[in-house]
Amino acid sequence: EAGVTQSPTHLIKTRGQQATLRCSPISGHTSVYWYQQALGLGLQFLLWYDEGEERNRGNFPPRFSGRQFPNYSSELNVNALELEDSALYLCASSPRTPTQYFGPGTRLTVL
Amino acid sequence: KQEVTQIPAALSVPEGENLVLNCSFTDSAIYNLQWFRQDPGKGLTSLLLIQSSQREQTSGRLNASLDKSSGRSTLYIAASQPGDSATYLCAPAGWRGANSKLTFGKGITLSVRP
Repeated sequence: EAGVTQSPTHLIKTRGQQATLRCSPISGHTSVYWYQQALGLGLQFLLWYDEGEERNRGNFPPRFSGRQFPNYSSELNVNALELEDSALYLCASSPRTPTQYFGPGTRLTVL
Repeated sequence: KQEVTQIPAALSVPEGENLVLNCSFTDSAIYNLQWFRQDPGKGLTSLLLIQSSQREQTSGRLNASLDKSSGRSTLYIAASQPGDSATYLCAPAGWRGANSKLTFGKGITLSVRP
């Protein structure tokens, strides 16, 4: 069974640009979670999507947004990039329990 | 709001030692608690998951215990090896609903010396 996949592996952008990160959950999982791991800050919860809807949101500004598609894959969009958005972005999926399975992450670098 | 503390932030031990990594959390209303391993620059690997109704889980040289009432979990690593060098994170999960997310500690970076 394939695990959670994320693309791209690495992404380099400049300040003010937009970044789009993608996540494909494990087959049969309906929930997708996004986390940010910035240097020195630990893993911070960003967003939770379930059955196509946003269910919960962490303490991040509105320029962090996303969506979940009918096939349960998800996109995370970060608008108006700032230097401090540089981080490892992790996606996790789960079936109808809080147990989460993580992907390998997308490393976003903002120059 | 759930807060998770892992102390110490870093640990260096010689190969072969038995280790105990500690995790404490403030909100005992959890669904389960997971222990993860993270290698530098990589994603998370789930090591053990303990349901809120359980006291411990074992996988190979790893044993995790949970005391929900006191808000504590420990990860025991037997006969440590250099390949165990990584950052270990604990993450309690809230109940399904608005709290259905993992809250992570900052992790304990373990270095096992040959």
